[in-house]
Order: sequence, then C-alpha cells, then structure tokens
Amino acid sequence: DAGVIQSPRHEVTEMGQEVTLRCKPISGHNSLFWYRQTMMRGLELLIYFNNNVPIDDSGMPEDRFSAKMPNASFSTLKIQPSEPRDSAVYFCASSRPGLADVTDTQYFGPGTRLTVL
Amino acid sequence: GDSVTQMEGPVTLSEEAFLTINCTYTATGYPSLFWYVQYPGEGLQLLLKATKADDKGSNKGFEATYRKETTSFHLEKGSVQVSDSAVYFCALSDGQNFVFGPGTRLSVLP
Repeated sequence: DAGVIQSPRHEVTEMGQEVTLRCKPISGHNSLFWYRQTMMRGLELLIYFNNNVPIDDSGMPEDRFSAKMPNASFSTLKIQPSEPRDSAVYFCASSRPGLADVTDTQYFGPGTRLTVL
Repeated sequence: GDSVTQMEGPVTLSEEAFLTINCTYTATGYPSLFWYVQYPGEGLQLLLKATKADDKGSNKGFEATYRKETTSFHLEKGSVQVSDSAVYFCALSDGQNFVFGPGTRLSVLP
C-alpha cells in the first residue's frame, strides 16, 4: 500500500510568494495532520482534520497560513505571503481512529523542505 | 492537558552498548503510547506502540513497556548499531489529542 504522499519534496521560493504544499493521506484514513519541524522549535502541530473537517487549528501561526481538505484523499497547506521564518520541513500524517476518536497511530509522509529566501 | 517528557539528548553510545531513553507522560484516562523514529532527512516512522497497562511493544530489537504506576514508557535496546543513529520521539494518544515529546537524538559510534 502507498504511504502518505507529499509534494513537492523541496520548495525554494522568494519572500512574498505564495506557497502550496500538498498531501495525499493513506486510503481509508480519515484523520489528517499537518506539522512543522525546525531545529529551534522542534515538531509543532499546525492543524488536524477528521472526516475532512478541521478539528483544531490552534497551532496555525498566523493568518498567512491556511489549510483545506476538500475531500478524503487530498489536503493543502498554503502560505501567503511567505516569509523567511517559514523555512522548515512540513510533514503531513494520517490515521484511522476508532469511531469515537479523532486520533490514533499516525503515519507520516516524507515531508516538504521549504526554503524562503 | 496531556504532556510527554523525554530525557534530553544527545545520547552518544558505542556500538553494541545498551540503550535506555526515558519517557514519562501525563494524561487522563488510559492513553495509547508510541515510540517514533526519525532518520536523517526522513519523516517520522512508527517504531512500536502499546495500548494498555503492562503491554510491551517491540520492533527491530527495541522494546518499551507501558507502566501505568510510574506513567512511563522507556525505550530500550540491548545492543545498538550505528544504523540506529536517529531522533526518537515518545508520544501518546488519548483518542482526542496526539502529543509528541521533544525528541532525543541518539548517535552510535563504531
């Protein structure tokens, strides 16, 4: 089975440009998570969805960040406008929790390394 | 709220040494506990998990036992290899929240 797929794997852009990161969760998984990882701040949860509905977006740093999940097999994380401090590795993860839950074992994608110049 | 605490790294060991990475947690109820590993340049991979008290998770020679009385889930391996060099994350899930520890970097020297 294919794992979580993220694209692009690497993105280099200039400050002020719009950046869109993409994620395809594992088929059948109904929870999806976006994380950001930097040396300074470690692994940070940005937002997560359950059944395509955002459950907790308290980790989204500011209004420049937005995330969508239009269907069960696709999600995007958009940064507009991008800034150098957004440089990080962004991970997507998915899981298939039980009926009463929204979280369980998470499976991670390979990440997108974003560099904003 | 829920939290996970891990021993600070980096941990540096010689090949074939015994490894322990401590992990303790704070949670209400009975969370599931996990260890994830992140090799350089890669995403996090599930290493092992345990879903109830006294369960032992194991994989690739690594083990961890769910100790509710001490709220701990320490990771152990009897003989580490250079290829085990990575960052190890302890985590918990209570069904509503998934919380990662800060990670512990392990370096194994030949």
